[in-house]
Amino acid sequence: NAGVTQTPKFQVLKTGQSMTLQCAQDMNHNSMYWYRQDPGMGLRLIYYSASEGTTDKGEVPNGYNVSRLNKREFSLRLESAAPSQTSVYFCASSALRSLDYNEQFFGPGTRLTVL
Amino acid sequence: QKEVEQNSGPLSVPEGAIASLNCTYSDRVSQSFFWYRQYSGKSPELIMSIYSNGDKEDGRFTAQLNKASQYVSLLIRDSQPSDSATYLCAVNLQGAQKLVFGQGTRLTINP
Repeated sequence: NAGVTQTPKFQVLKTGQSMTLQCAQDMNHNSMYWYRQDPGMGLRLIYYSASEGTTDKGEVPNGYNVSRLNKREFSLRLESAAPSQTSVYFCASSALRSLDYNEQFFGPGTRLTVL
Repeated sequence: QKEVEQNSGPLSVPEGAIASLNCTYSDRVSQSFFWYRQYSGKSPELIMSIYSNGDKEDGRFTAQLNKASQYVSLLIRDSQPSDSATYLCAVNLQGAQKLVFGQGTRLTINP
């Protein structure tokens, strides 16, 4: 099992460009999450999908959109990239068998730079 | 007050000693708690989950939970240089389908 995979690993964009970060999991997990991690700010939740067909905003959703394509895949889109979106982006998944059972497993991350 | 607080460190511990990492949380009714280890340039890796008051041991790692005092800690016995990493505490707020992370404690084990 590959676990959680993310593409691409690295990306450089110019201000105003758009791109989609891809995430897939092969653990048959119900829930998927997108985080960003910045120095001194810790991990911050952007969007999450508790189950196929649902998505909800997290702590920092502005400037992002998501799509839960199917149970395996959850993508994050930047419509018009800004330098403030320079960060490392992590996707995670969880079986979420109950509301309190939320062991999350992370992908390797995408390092994004916006010039 | 932040929902989950950790001392950012750095915490420096000699090899072979016990490393003690602490985390406090603000939501009194939180039910589940997690410790992640993150090496520099890598993704967070789940190392411990704890759901009940008391201690939970897994190899050299022990998680301790005290819901009355709203803190959770991680002890690493016989610390090794390979334990040098940032340790993230995460709390599942009751009824929520998401985790809240602390900012992490950077741990350095000195040979």
